Amino acid sequence: DGGITQSPKYLFRKEGQNVTLSCEQNLNHDAMYWYRQDPGQGLRLIYYSQIVNDFQKGDIAEGYSVSREKKESFPLTVTSAQKNPTAFYLCASSSTGNTEAFFGQGTRLTVV
Amino acid sequence: AQKVTQAQTEISVVEKEDVTLDCVYETRDTTYYLFWYKQPPSGELVFLIRRNSFDEQNEISGRYSWNFQKSTSSFNFTITASQVVDSAVYFCALSEDNDMRFGAGTRLTVKP
Repeated sequence: DGGITQSPKYLFRKEGQNVTLSCEQNLNHDAMYWYRQDPGQGLRLIYYSQIVNDFQKGDIAEGYSVSREKKESFPLTVTSAQKNPTAFYLCASSSTGNTEAFFGQGTRLTVV
Repeated sequence: AQKVTQAQTEISVVEKEDVTLDCVYETRDTTYYLFWYKQPPSGELVFLIRRNSFDEQNEISGRYSWNFQKSTSSFNFTITASQVVDSAVYFCALSEDNDMRFGAGTRLTVKP
């Protein structure tokens, strides 16, 4: 089945540790996105990529890093510099930046 | 950067009532795209509709309808004869220059 897969669904990490969230799509989409969702704040854009080997910062990129070495994959690393990393993270892809996005099921990260 | 405002944080209605979710946007571009997404309790966002800035024609899809008015920078969403299954968080989004930004969302609760 075509779609976008995020793993794992739940993730626990100790404070001060880096953690990488996986996002894979088999939709042949050029654009991929990472959003963070906190209660009452909707979705905030962390990073986006329009093409392989290129990505742009969103509104809240500090403390995060990404890579886009393959069209299918857009992993997000939450570094120890991110002050409040506990949140729900959503990955999305679209054929272009202006077409509808398809979302993964999300990863709920809890840092203790 | 572009901005999307969903002023209604939560709405509660009784089944079969009509309900309108408001969305107001800000952009300096003449070419942009507007979207509505539904987020059920499972967390995965589901695409509902996409509109480009040159198409102000309203759209109806079953019990759903959308009213796009450039004069007021609004893209409102109406559910007619609401059902319990419509309970979810609904997000309005705006895409310009190939990056997509979301509003804070409106939580709709439909009671039986």
